[in-house]
Amino acid sequence: DVKVTQSSRYLVKRTGEKVFLECVQDMDHENMFWYRQDPGLGLRLIYFSYDVKMKEKGDIPEGYSVSREKKERFSLILESASTNQTSMYLCASSFPSGPGEYEQYFGPGTRLTVT
Amino acid sequence: AQSVTQPDIHITVSEGASLELRCNYSYGATPYLFWYVQSPGQGLQLLLKYFSGDTLVQGIKGFEAEFKRSQSSFNLRKPSVHWSDAAEYFCAVAGGGGSYIPTFGRGTSLIVHP
Repeated sequence: DVKVTQSSRYLVKRTGEKVFLECVQDMDHENMFWYRQDPGLGLRLIYFSYDVKMKEKGDIPEGYSVSREKKERFSLILESASTNQTSMYLCASSFPSGPGEYEQYFGPGTRLTVT
Repeated sequence: AQSVTQPDIHITVSEGASLELRCNYSYGATPYLFWYVQSPGQGLQLLLKYFSGDTLVQGIKGFEAEFKRSQSSFNLRKPSVHWSDAAEYFCAVAGGGGSYIPTFGRGTSLIVHP
């Protein structure tokens, strides 16, 4: 089975701190994604990556950056955390081609609270 | 552009009753359609998917969904709901404009009464 893991289930940070959220997948997927999930808003795409060192902005990239130095690892960085970034963050991965590339595998999520 | 609408924010059913969760999509050609489930505090798990072929798709946990092109719908059904089915359900569509990135609906929260 595909396994996507996230470094923390729960995280509490202070306003202004730099925050790193880590995601690792073990199925050699090329595509990786970061979403944030808020009640009533569903999943919103922050950034995605289709290869090592490649990244593309999603729908809400402001206030975030990403890093993909290795194929299996995709990091989300909050340069200066703010209270409006309190949310559930979900990482996902998918195959690179064919119909299967549309099917995403999700990690358990990181509940981030910024105080 | 592709889009997904889940008209129901919350659905409440009694245990043992049947369930139907609605999903409508907007997409030009034959879409790739998915239903995911999210248990409290967890990530999303794929329930079922439709790419082509038989329009009635079977998934895990006793769920099924039917693709109806004429209605642009992909509704999720289960004949008898269990208390453990209480969760958030997301419909997603992909393939629009050649993009492999799915667009998710806002989700439907299922509440199961004993």
